[in-house]
Amino acid sequence: GQQLNQSPQSMFIQEGEDVSMNCTSSSIFNTWLWYKQDPGEGPVLLIALYKAGELTSNGRLTAQFGITRKDSFLNISASIPSDVGIYFCAGMNSGGYQKVTFGTGTKLQVIP
Amino acid sequence: DAGVIQSPRHEVTEMGQEVTLRCKPISGHDYLFWYRQTMMRGLELLIYFNNNVPIDDSGMPEDRFSAKMPNASFSTLKIQPSEPRDSAVYFCASSLGSGGLYFGAGTRLSVL
Repeated sequence: GQQLNQSPQSMFIQEGEDVSMNCTSSSIFNTWLWYKQDPGEGPVLLIALYKAGELTSNGRLTAQFGITRKDSFLNISASIPSDVGIYFCAGMNSGGYQKVTFGTGTKLQVIP
Repeated sequence: DAGVIQSPRHEVTEMGQEVTLRCKPISGHDYLFWYRQTMMRGLELLIYFNNNVPIDDSGMPEDRFSAKMPNASFSTLKIQPSEPRDSAVYFCASSLGSGGLYFGAGTRLSVL
């Protein structure tokens, strides 16, 4: 079946630093999604990407849909303490029906 | 918009008991998903519905698990009988067409 690998698995950064994380797949997706999960809550949708090569921003977050359609990247600029959490990528193929595959997650810790 | 609403938020039960988890999707969304999250396996898709019809239940662990969606605004996930290995956080999510999934806050289930 499809597998999504995220890297890094975890990272510690200083407040103010930029963050980069990525997600790779063994197969192609038509849509890439990025989520953030805070402790005790459900994942919250951050950015959705629908086209290969697409670059989309949401505030300090920027995500890209890889040109091969097998990967995606998320960047966070000027990190702040509330960026702490687990970031998940998800790949989706739709063709009448949807099925979403989630990555393994990147745990982000921000040191004030 | 109230978002996806799940109940209860926490459930503690004894092995062998029946457990029913409830979900109200976002109004107007035509897809509903049930996920399970554990440290070991991450987010696993259990089943999803389109327009109240179950489309793919291949992720349901075994016959002890069942899910229903009697109408567009309500779904249940039932475990009967429950076992300690069912302990996890269960998430309901909904989406509109090919849009991203919107998750509820989850139900944390502990089976003793």
